[in-house]
Amino acid sequence: DQQVKQNSPSLSVQEGRISILNCDYTNSMFDYFLWYKKYPAEGPTFLISISSIKDKNEDGRFTVFLNKSAKHLSLHIVPSQPGDSAVYFCAASGGSSNTGKLIFGQGTTLQVKP
Amino acid sequence: GAGVSQSPSNKVTEKGKDVELRCDPISGHTALYWYRQSLGQGLEFLIYFQGNSAPDKSGLPSDRFSAERTGGSVSTLTIQRTQQEDSAVYLCASSLTPQGTNTGELFFGEGSRLTVL
Repeated sequence: DQQVKQNSPSLSVQEGRISILNCDYTNSMFDYFLWYKKYPAEGPTFLISISSIKDKNEDGRFTVFLNKSAKHLSLHIVPSQPGDSAVYFCAASGGSSNTGKLIFGQGTTLQVKP
Repeated sequence: GAGVSQSPSNKVTEKGKDVELRCDPISGHTALYWYRQSLGQGLEFLIYFQGNSAPDKSGLPSDRFSAERTGGSVSTLTIQRTQQEDSAVYLCASSLTPQGTNTGELFFGEGSRLTVL
């Protein structure tokens, strides 16, 4: 059962434009959400997070939006830069069955073209 | 260094052999996780250690997989009688998470790439 889903395996955008990466979840008990970025041959690195008590969190060029009623979150990157090209993973935690652990989505590969 | 360290970085083994993968978490981090990423797949949760609590083994795919964490620090993931479908990158992560709170930021190692021939 895939509790966290990233339905777009890849996304290509032009440098300077906005990148929007989407993530859906099924477990209504999730209360904390994170985005990680992964370059080839490296471990994932934390990018940005949001608690379920908020609907938006912004950090520089990165903004995460949370829609609890739709069980959907998205990551906006604006303006996109070629160095943003990487695999982006959405992750969630919360609920008695998931105490302490993160459940990750399948990842979306972002390519930012110069 | 100060990050999560994993060894070996690459391991090629024959089907049926046992393998051990090692993880050195960041000093002081109470939580330690093992995930794996198979080719073209996402990060699959395997096992989670938090302090002195019993580990959450709910993600281990079969009884051929086991893990231990000695002294609340170093962890070893053991795969017995390896199969070709075990081929993946095995990622270890740690976090500074007090027991009972939500998971905070995870710090990942670079992973151990396992290839089973």
